[in-house]
Amino acid sequence: RKEVEQDPGPFNVPEGATVAFNCTYSNSASQSFFWYRQDCRKEPKLLMSVYSSGNEDGRFTAQLNRASQYISLLIRDSKLSDSATYLCVVNGNQFYFGTGTSLTVIP
Amino acid sequence: EPEVTQTPSHQVTQMGQEVILRCVPISNHLYFYWYRQILGQKVEFLVSFYNNEISEKSEIFDDQFSVERPDGSNFTLKIRSTKLEDSAMYFCASRFGGRSNYGYTFGSGTRLTVV
Repeated sequence: RKEVEQDPGPFNVPEGATVAFNCTYSNSASQSFFWYRQDCRKEPKLLMSVYSSGNEDGRFTAQLNRASQYISLLIRDSKLSDSATYLCVVNGNQFYFGTGTSLTVIP
Repeated sequence: EPEVTQTPSHQVTQMGQEVILRCVPISNHLYFYWYRQILGQKVEFLVSFYNNEISEKSEIFDDQFSVERPDGSNFTLKIRSTKLEDSAMYFCASRFGGRSNYGYTFGSGTRLTVV
């Protein structure tokens, strides 16, 4: 079983839409969780950490469900500039990356 | 904002040649990493480095790979005898803390092309 699994998408949504990505992880002892954003042929950049109580940063909301071992990312009011691949990252002994979910926001 | 710097941005090398990829982590960071990403695939862990030694490595990080922190600022990845399948984007990353909520900061990567 893969350490981290994500739906690869692609997700194509209109500007202004709300979109949600989920990610599951296999190791129940995982300690910290992150969402990264990766633009084409660029390095991953930290979007936000995911805290147990859930957290919000502007239009972005992250949730963690330890019982079901999944994390989610909700993007409200999508902008064209949100188009990217979103990587779920789980920290156990090392950082494990999901394959990423591709998002394209359409005008 | 502090950055992780990687050089070169693109390296083309012949199969069987040695390459050294260079990284300058953020100055007060303590943990250093190399990851790679083959085009169209996910980011894969290679090795982590702390306190001047390897703390973990993956199956990918075989005897052809080595890492060094020669002078307290640079962090290098050496591939001794490159293969075609080593062609990938190599990302260096650093973080301040170990197992904590500190995320990694990645460098902009070195694209290695083995021909």
